[in-house]
Amino acid sequence: ELKVEQNPLFLSMQEGKNYTIYCNYSTTSDRLYWYRQDPGKSLESLFVLLSNGAVKQEGRLMASLDTKARLSTLHITAAVHDLSATYFCAVDSPSGNTPLVFGKGTRLSVIA
Amino acid sequence: DAGVTQSPTHLIKTRGQQVTLRCSPKSGHDTVSWYQQALGQGPQFIFQYYEEEERQRGNFPDRFSGHQFPNYSSELNVNALLLGDSALYLCASSLAGGIEAFFGQGTRLTVV
Repeated sequence: ELKVEQNPLFLSMQEGKNYTIYCNYSTTSDRLYWYRQDPGKSLESLFVLLSNGAVKQEGRLMASLDTKARLSTLHITAAVHDLSATYFCAVDSPSGNTPLVFGKGTRLSVIA
Repeated sequence: DAGVTQSPTHLIKTRGQQVTLRCSPKSGHDTVSWYQQALGQGPQFIFQYYEEEERQRGNFPDRFSGHQFPNYSSELNVNALLLGDSALYLCASSLAGGIEAFFGQGTRLTVV
């Protein structure tokens, strides 16, 4: 059974600081997704990582994937209040076109 | 392109009642997946429809059923509602064999 673990589950950080969210998964997979969710809203796709060593950046967020370690990271650089949200990672099982398995999410709060 | 649309956005039902939620996929997509997201949790896979058939199912009771129509739109039905069915229900559409799923805005179901 594919399992996805995120840590930390809660993160309070000051504006301007850097931090990393970690996502571990239990079985081989070659597709990892990061989503953002604002309170009461749906999931907004941030990154799709498709291969070992993949790195993608958008603004203050950078995601990477290490398939050998079964680990993805979401790095936040110089946090701003607008980044406050819950961030989820999700993984497909390797057989293709299969449902996403989500982590529990990391609730990020950026404070002044 | 309207993206993935769900209806209704909110509804309140009484225990024991039945509810139907609707989803129209993104233009060109043929696969619809349904997820349940309880408060403070990550989305959990309910089932997936492709070519008007249920292709995969998560760990949900038979009270949860669905349908996909020839135009690829889909319904989620829940019978004999329980308080624990209160959640955000998310529909995701994708193209069979494709990489990314796109989520609708969700339906917030409250069972009282």
